[in-house]
This record gives sequence, C-alpha cells and structure tokens, in this order.
Amino acid sequence: QKEVEQNSGPLSVPEGAIASLNCTYSDRGSQSFFWYRQYSGKSPELIMSIYSNGDKEDGRFTAQLNKASQYVSLLIRDSQPSDSATYLCAVKASGGSYIPTFGRGTSLIVHP
Amino acid sequence: DAGVIQSPRHEVTEMGQEVTLRCKPISGHDYLFWYRQTMMRGLELLIYFNNNVPIDDSGMPEDRFSAKMPNASFSTLKIQPSEPRDSAVYFCASSPPGQAHYGYTFGSGTRLTVV
Repeated sequence: QKEVEQNSGPLSVPEGAIASLNCTYSDRGSQSFFWYRQYSGKSPELIMSIYSNGDKEDGRFTAQLNKASQYVSLLIRDSQPSDSATYLCAVKASGGSYIPTFGRGTSLIVHP
Repeated sequence: DAGVIQSPRHEVTEMGQEVTLRCKPISGHDYLFWYRQTMMRGLELLIYFNNNVPIDDSGMPEDRFSAKMPNASFSTLKIQPSEPRDSAVYFCASSPPGQAHYGYTFGSGTRLTVV
C-alpha cells in the first residue's frame, strides 16, 4: 500500500513569513513529486513538480526533495493571505504506474 | 485552451435516481481520470482511461458506478441508482502523452448531492 502522509493542519502563519509544508511517502521507488494548491470550493491546481533530489525554486515557492529520507516539502516565502488554501502532495512511483497517490492535504492559513 | 470542462457544476438528485456527470478533456491529452473528493476520504481515483480505453477501474466503489469514453473529447461517469453516500465532489482530470512526468489538469468539478 503506497502511502503519502501530510499533516492536516491548519498551519497558521503571519503574512510575510515562510510557510513550510511537509509530505512523507512510503514507496522508495517514487520518481515524480507534485504539489497542488486547492482553494476552498475549487479544484486542485498544479503549482510545483520535482523529480531530483535538492531544491527547485519558482518565484516564492521552493520544493525540496530528499529521496533518502522519503520526504518532499514546499516552502512559501513572503506568505500572503491569498496563499491560504489546502496544499496536496502527490507522488508517482516508477515501474509503469503513472498514477499518483495523493495525500490528504495540509490547510494553510496566512493571517494579516 | 479552455481547460478540462465538466458539467454540471452542481447536481442535486433524489436517492435512487440516475446521475450522469460529463467531462471534456484538454485537446491532445490522452489520459483522462475521474476522482471523487470527500472530507472523510480525500481525493480518490475512481477510474482512468488512456486513448479512450479504460485502464484501471479498481477504484470504482461498486457496480452502481460506470464510466465511458466514447471518443477522445468526451467522457461520462454514471451512477445508477444514486445513494446519499455518493454525495461528493467529482473531478475529471487529464494529462498529456508521456505523462509519467507531468501533473494533471483538473476540471472545476461537479458537486453532487443525493438526498
């Protein structure tokens, strides 16, 4: 059973702070990792993907991957109230399975 | 690009009635996925298609659920008969060829309420 674990939160941070969202996964063969943002009442939206160990930066977002420790994280710098949403981690394994396993998501609240 | 289009956006139906949800994937995407999202269970994969062929329907909860993809631009998810426990948001998503390294594009979802 492939599992993707996220703290459900809510994670509350003040505006301008760094928000750190974490995700652990059970399948060591996982190859592709994604972060989706889901606003309340809306559909998930892909915001980051990462495939290699290390950091990947895109604007205020940084994804960090550590395959040895089986975790992936998302850092949001200079958090804004508009970042308040649920963040879903998704992990795809290797070996021909192209279907990701989604975590339950972490709710982020950025307060002014 | 109009994105993944789902209809209807909201559906309220009585228990026992047939419900049909519709999805139009992004042109050129050859993978199509149906997901269900609830507070209790999160995002669950129901079924997915590749080039209009169902590949894995192991997530379909029971025989009351069926899905079809008659062509590359249209798919349906049908529930017959519907039950209150089917109430959820149903998402359709599509992904381009060689999608092992791509994420999904989700539609806006259909919020189904069975009373």
